[in-house]
Order: sequence, then structure tokens, then C-alpha cells
Amino acid sequence: QVQLVQSGAEVKKPGASVKVSCKASGYTFTTYAIHWLRQAPGQRLEWMGWINCGNGITKYSQSFQGRVTFTRDTSARISHIELSSLRFEDTAVYYCAREAGGATKYFDYWGQGALVSVSS
Amino acid sequence: QSALTQPASVSGSPGQSITISCTGTSSDVGSYDLVSWYQQHPGKAPKVIIYEVNKRPSGVSNRFSGSKSGNTASLTISGLQAEDEADYYCCSYGESASRVFGGGTRLTVL
Repeated sequence: QVQLVQSGAEVKKPGASVKVSCKASGYTFTTYAIHWLRQAPGQRLEWMGWINCGNGITKYSQSFQGRVTFTRDTSARISHIELSSLRFEDTAVYYCAREAGGATKYFDYWGQGALVSVSS
Repeated sequence: QSALTQPASVSGSPGQSITISCTGTSSDVGSYDLVSWYQQHPGKAPKVIIYEVNKRPSGVSNRFSGSKSGNTASLTISGLQAEDEADYYCCSYGESASRVFGGGTRLTVL
């Protein structure tokens, strides 16, 4: 069955960087895009962008342009998000989600989330 | 890109129907039949319940239905059950392959 398993919680200081992983199983990794989203405590879901796991093409939300990088390792079936210059307001649960195939453009499977806490 | 507009909260009694609206712009909701809805219980990852405006994934109850008119999409839940109490988010495909979410609606089953 399709699964997305994310790395564990992280605590970082302001100005540092964080890298969260999302390991996929149960499907052909390179056929689908992985999206990254986040949710600050008590707040709405916020879309951060996507990576095409086949060709590595990325699309970033303007809100994070220049501060976020998506990568993928096709042999390990893992996608990573790296967020730099962390601020207190980056404290959130970070989710990876698979974009369903074809032209449907929705998220059919989600990771369990990874809490990133930014604290001095 | 601004968030889509949803009511902060709605409520209903068991067995009743409720509707949650999701208003965007001509650049997102109004331009594409690619609105999806997600249900999120506390501490859990979101789960898709509607995609492409009105389609239900396999396994999702037919009590959930979606529609769209102009720049506004809607989610209707009929025959409310206690387990429907959750947060609901709409999401639209937008310009340059972007996505935009609504602010979320907290559904309370009275």
C-alpha cells in the first residue's frame, strides 16, 4: 500500500536550517509529484510547493521562494525539504503529500507530519 | 496568492445537513474545476474527501458532496454524524501550477 513516512521532530534555533525527509513506498516513485505543506499551531494548511520526482523540476510558493529547497533521491525513494534562515514563525508541522496521478491535482496520500520547532 | 475564504466555523445537529463555502478568485476557483476538500481531525494528517469539485475518492461516504458556481465552491455534508466533527479545508489549483488553501472551517456536531 502507498505510504509516506516522514522523519522525526526537530528543534532549531532562529537563523538555522532544517531538513525534513519523506520516504515513499508502495508505488512508482518517479511517476508522481510530491508536495510540501505546513501547518502552524492552530492555523490553516499552507502550500509550499512541489517537486516532480521523475525529472526533479520544482515549483515554490512565492511565500518561501529563496528560502526553501526540495530535492529527491530516486534510488532511495525519498524527497527532502530544506528550509533556511528559520524564524520563530516557521514553527509548524511540515507535511509531504503525493499528488494523485493524471490531471486531478489533488493530494491522495499524506505523510504523518514532522514538527519543526524554532526556539532560542 | 491570498488564501481562499471559508467560514471559521459551522455547526449542526446529528442528521442535519450543513454546507461550507470556499470563495476564491477568477485566477483559481473560477478558472479550474480542480477544487478539492480535506477533512482533518485533531492531531492527524488531512484526508481528501472531494476532488475535482464533486468527485469522491473510493471509500468516502456519499454523505459528502461538492459543487461550484463561479468563484465559489461548496462542500455539503448530509446526515451529520458525530465523527464528522473536524476541520475542513478547501484547496484550488491556481496560476502557474500553484495551489491555494482556504483558511479552514471547524465543524461542530451539536
